[in-house]
Amino acid sequence: DGGITQSPKYLFRKEGQNVTLSCEQNLNHDAMYWYRQDPGQGLRLIYYSQIVNDFQKGDIAEGYSVSREKKESFPLTVTSAQKNPTAFYLCASSTPRTGGNGYTFGSGTRLTVV
Amino acid sequence: QQPVQSPQAVILREGEDAVINCSSSKALYSVHWYRQKHGEAPVFLMILLKGGEQKGHEKISASFNEKKQQSSLYLTASQLSYSGTYFCGTALFSNTGNQFYFGTGTSLTVIP
Repeated sequence: DGGITQSPKYLFRKEGQNVTLSCEQNLNHDAMYWYRQDPGQGLRLIYYSQIVNDFQKGDIAEGYSVSREKKESFPLTVTSAQKNPTAFYLCASSTPRTGGNGYTFGSGTRLTVV
Repeated sequence: QQPVQSPQAVILREGEDAVINCSSSKALYSVHWYRQKHGEAPVFLMILLKGGEQKGHEKISASFNEKKQQSSLYLTASQLSYSGTYFCGTALFSNTGNQFYFGTGTSLTVIP
């Protein structure tokens, strides 16, 4: 079945460390996104990519970095520069135009800084 | 540019109806509706593209007003499985990589 796989499901990080969250899709979608979810704040866009080797900052990109070397993969690195990284991170994909099929989300990674 | 959702939370008994609203200050290209169970990924419910459109089925449906600035999600004869947080997502333009915003969500709890 087609879908999005995020790993790991839970991640613990010490302050000052960088961590990378994995996101893989087999839906043949061109566009991929990373969202951060905090309680009561909905979903906020971190980065998005509409084609391979190209990505754009979202509303809260500071302290994060991404790459898009393959269509299927869009990993997110949470760097030590991110001041408050504890959150639920969701990866999503869609057809280039957000019409018809909506966004497909992965099951998320819960990151906790200890 | 984030759409405004209301109410923030609602508690229903099984069989009762609910309406969740999503409003934008600007005319929209499209509006999406999603449901998220606790700790899980949001699941796409439906998309509305045309002003005046109504979509869905008897139990869960949605409307998009003529001005394309407001959408409502209708949950009829609620079931326990309807519990979760409902989000609207709004696109200002057709190619909306960075012009797509989610509302803050509406927590819906259905009790026996």
